Amino acid sequence: NAGVTQTPKFQVLKTGQSMTLQCAQDMNHNSMYWYRQDPGMGLRLIYYSASEGTTDKGEVPNGYNVSRLNKREFSLRLESAAPSQTSVYFCASRLSVSGELFFGEGSRLTVL
Amino acid sequence: DAKTTQPTSMDCAEGRAANLPCNHSTISGNEYVYWYRQIHSQGPQYIIHGLKNNETNEMASLIITEDRKSSTLILPHATLRDTAVYYCIVRATTDSWGKLQFGAGTQVVVTP
Repeated sequence: NAGVTQTPKFQVLKTGQSMTLQCAQDMNHNSMYWYRQDPGMGLRLIYYSASEGTTDKGEVPNGYNVSRLNKREFSLRLESAAPSQTSVYFCASRLSVSGELFFGEGSRLTVL
Repeated sequence: DAKTTQPTSMDCAEGRAANLPCNHSTISGNEYVYWYRQIHSQGPQYIIHGLKNNETNEMASLIITEDRKSSTLILPHATLRDTAVYYCIVRATTDSWGKLQFGAGTQVVVTP
């Protein structure tokens, strides 16, 4: 049972390049989330998907897009990366009736 | 969402109990207190949650004051592997966990 799997774990981009962070969960959870974590800032929500087929903005959605491909997968896309998007990105999932969030191991993105 | 206040950091000796305080004076009647922790370079990990009764599981105990305005997470016998940032969050279980802020948490350092 892998839980929440994120790929890639590390990525270096140049300003203006695009990329997609992939997230998959095998726990049959309905809700999935993308957070970013910057030093001293805790975790901030970028986008979330309460259920398959729905997505909503979080606290810091600008510069990102998401796709809930199916119940298992929730991807985060940076269309034109900026240095301000250098961060650690975490994907999480949650059962619709439980408050417990399960997190992936993180994707460390550097934009030069 | 009710806001929480935690100390920035605290130290604990290995083998001793670690008592982590959290203030949540504006907590609503339907909001639970959740605790997560994040070990360096890993994704956050769920610890425990409770409404008004004290709770205990294999990781920790949660003590909530009678007026619910504050709580304490207790790690009964701290080990070096408990060194992490600990986050206190208040949420209603009916919330979607969208627009969630983890805050800066408490950096706990367990020393030999």
